[in-house]
Amino acid sequence: AQSVTQPDIHITVSEGASLELRCNYSYGATPYLFWYVQSPGQGLQLLLKYFSGDTLVQGIKGFEAEFKRSQSSFNLRKPSVHWSDAAEYFCAVGATDSWGKLQFGAGTQVVVTP
Amino acid sequence: GAVVSQHPSRVICKSGTSVKIECRSLDFQATTMFWYRQFPKQSLMLMATSNEGSKATYEQGVEKDKFLINHASLTLSTLTVTSAHPEDSSFYICSATGLAGPQETQYFGPGTRLLVL
Repeated sequence: AQSVTQPDIHITVSEGASLELRCNYSYGATPYLFWYVQSPGQGLQLLLKYFSGDTLVQGIKGFEAEFKRSQSSFNLRKPSVHWSDAAEYFCAVGATDSWGKLQFGAGTQVVVTP
Repeated sequence: GAVVSQHPSRVICKSGTSVKIECRSLDFQATTMFWYRQFPKQSLMLMATSNEGSKATYEQGVEKDKFLINHASLTLSTLTVTSAHPEDSSFYICSATGLAGPQETQYFGPGTRLLVL
């Protein structure tokens, strides 16, 4: 069975500092991988996705993620966070036969301090 | 860009009543729509997959007679929570996949918050 693990429930980071959010997955083959952000009162917004090809994926808002097959990981990074990056971040795995059918990780709450 | 809307955004109802939530793709035809449920401080859980003109496929543990899904057209799917109870109070989110521009894309709706008293 496939699964998605986000080990960090809550992360606090200073504005301007770098951010890395961890995501590990378990899947029979290489799945489709996604990172979404959810701000209070807002819908889910896609930050980036990996289907195949270059393992370093660039997304919106200055985020990037790297797919590492050997570690079954798809960690999200941002070199310098802004106060507006405070939100809940979800890693998700999509089935290759129906990629829109997503299994989400538990989420990581990011708090940005001045 | 492509947008998925949900209506209503928020609903409060009495226990035992039924509530219908609409999910619309506004500027693309959604080949497939998905319904998720998110409890407070928790992640999204897939409830069902909906294809236009066919019966929805429900995830294990989701009661199909309680959560009725109708995907009547390529731009509209509805979720009806029948005989709602307080434990059905949750945030219901739909998503739609389809061709929006040159490639297939998925968009999420803004969600519907349901409170059952």
